[in-house]
Amino acid sequence: QQQVKQSPQSLIVQKGGISIINCAYENTAFDYFPWYQQFPGKGPALLIAIRPDVSEKKEGRFTISFNKSAKQFSLHIMDSQPGDSATYFCAPYYNYGQNFVFGPGTRLSVLP
Amino acid sequence: DAGVTQSPTHLIKTRGQHVTLRCSPISGHKSVSWYQQVLGQGPQFIFQYYEKEERGRGNFPDRFSARQFPNYSSELNVNALLLGDSALYLCASSLGADTGELFFGEGSRLTVL
Repeated sequence: QQQVKQSPQSLIVQKGGISIINCAYENTAFDYFPWYQQFPGKGPALLIAIRPDVSEKKEGRFTISFNKSAKQFSLHIMDSQPGDSATYFCAPYYNYGQNFVFGPGTRLSVLP
Repeated sequence: DAGVTQSPTHLIKTRGQHVTLRCSPISGHKSVSWYQQVLGQGPQFIFQYYEKEERGRGNFPDRFSARQFPNYSSELNVNALLLGDSALYLCASSLGADTGELFFGEGSRLTVL
């Protein structure tokens, strides 16, 4: 069974701080590494994603770092805001089987 | 433009009953996927359909079935409901079968009593 693990399970950060969420996977066939953000009562929404041919991608306050040899990728949120309070899921994907394998989620709370 | 729409938003059923959930993808999207999200967990893949054909199936029993219609909308059917089927059922659409980005609806919250 495919295993995708996230850490931490929950995270509390002060406004303006840095939030870091990690994702570890086992299947080396994964070839697309997204992070999804989910607010209560809503479906997940793509936040940022990376392909394995690059080690880092930045979009505004959000950065993905990818370590292929360690089979890990992480999400960094700079200058965290209360509006970032949500649950974050890593969801690595591979073409064979055509599905995303979602991690268990990390609940982020950003205090004002 | 309208996003992914799902119906009903909430429903309550009893054990043994049957349920049908419906999904309309974003206009122009030809692939629909279904996910089950139990409270406090990440979504789990159930099915993917593309051009009315099943492209992938997750580890769910045969009580779960789905289909996609010529207008690319989709139905998820669950027979002989169990208490453990209580969950948020999410529909996601994408442009193609192997496109990286999924666009999710807000889900159908199923409670089985």
